[in-house]
Amino acid sequence: DAGVIQSPRHEVTEMGQEVTLRCKPISGHDYLFWYRQTMMRGLELLIYFNNNVPIDDSGMPEDRFSAKMPNASFSTLKIQPSEPRDSAVYFCASSFGGQPTGEQYFGPGTRLTVT
Amino acid sequence: DAKTTQPNSMESNEEEPVHLPCNHSTISGTDYIHWYRQLPSQGPEYVIHGLTSNVNNRMASLAIAEDRKSSTLILHRATLRDAAVYYCILRAGGANNLFFGTGTRLTVIP
Repeated sequence: DAGVIQSPRHEVTEMGQEVTLRCKPISGHDYLFWYRQTMMRGLELLIYFNNNVPIDDSGMPEDRFSAKMPNASFSTLKIQPSEPRDSAVYFCASSFGGQPTGEQYFGPGTRLTVT
Repeated sequence: DAKTTQPNSMESNEEEPVHLPCNHSTISGTDYIHWYRQLPSQGPEYVIHGLTSNVNNRMASLAIAEDRKSSTLILHRATLRDAAVYYCILRAGGANNLFFGTGTRLTVIP
């Protein structure tokens, strides 16, 4: 398996623009997680899905952020409108609920810069 | 979620063992102790986990105190590729989400 795939790897946009980050989880995994990492706040869980259904979105910073999982092999995280403080590395991770370790597999991340 | 406390940074010489400590004095009986590490410019990766007994795998060993209020991740022979931020995380039994703290930045000296 290719692992968790994220695109784009780098995104530079201007304040006010819409940004869409994409994630393809590992095939067969039924959990998908979105994280954000900044120097100030570290690694934060934004939202996670189970079987394509959002389970906990309490980490989503505000209404400008939204996430969807239309099917088991694709998820998006959208920011509209973007602001400079959204600049961060966004990671997607997936896991298999039936695995006792609960091990999460992370993608390489998308580095977002909002100017 | 129960909190963990780790040193901000540690150094180790290459080829020597490294003991990375973690305190979790408020751990509950159903919390698993997980360790992840994050290599530079990469996403975190799973290292090891345990509940009560010490655990070994190909990457590391996990030593858990008898009262479970602390644990130690042991890298038996540090290599330059082990330079990373190591996160100690408590995961409630049955839970699927993880909460990362600040971790320990390990520097390996050649």
